[in-house]
Amino acid sequence: GESVGLHLPTLSVQEGDNSIINCAYSNSASDYFIWYKQESGKGPQFIIDIRSNMDKRQGQRVTVLLNKTVKHLSLQIAATQPGDSAVYFCAEKGGDAGNMLTFGGGTRLMVKP
Amino acid sequence: GAVVSQHPSWVICKSGTSVKIECRSLDFQATTMFWYRQFPKQSLMLMATSNEGSKATYEQGVEKDKFLINHASLTLSTLTVTSAHPEDSSFYICSAKLLAEGGETQYFGPGTRLLVL
Repeated sequence: GESVGLHLPTLSVQEGDNSIINCAYSNSASDYFIWYKQESGKGPQFIIDIRSNMDKRQGQRVTVLLNKTVKHLSLQIAATQPGDSAVYFCAEKGGDAGNMLTFGGGTRLMVKP
Repeated sequence: GAVVSQHPSWVICKSGTSVKIECRSLDFQATTMFWYRQFPKQSLMLMATSNEGSKATYEQGVEKDKFLINHASLTLSTLTVTSAHPEDSSFYICSAKLLAEGGETQYFGPGTRLLVL
């Protein structure tokens, strides 16, 4: 069935470096994508979103890139800080799924001091 | 803005008891809320969609008589795990849909950790 998945389950980066977290999606009809950050024992926290009519969107220290040709989504975090350590989920919505959010498997980001 | 709360944050109960979890949108009204469960080191799995004033829509494989959902107001949805068993132990997370000019976004609560002994 349709799914959203991630390439790397764990990403370890040095503090101050840039991080890139990737996500592949298979539902070509999805038109809305969101990145969430989840710290241990807490609920997901909205980071940034992007609609399918865009290929790039920037926030504070974060950038989301969408490549619809290869159905790939990425989250870039600039100057990664220890507080960025968490599990990051991409989610998609649209197409046959309607209003339902479909989550990927998650990538754990570990920031080394 | 866009804060969602859950209560309780964690609960331990004996097998066979029922547990009610509340989800509140604190600073906005939400006609639609969602309930997820999350097992350790896994992603979120949607259980049901809660619609204010109407019956909830359950995902395939989720027993509606086991997980009772009530969305009685625009700021409150409750999930009751009836006759809880150890396999119901999980992290339960709700989200509320916020409609804005730019579209709609789901904001998540902090989660409720349930441990059934």
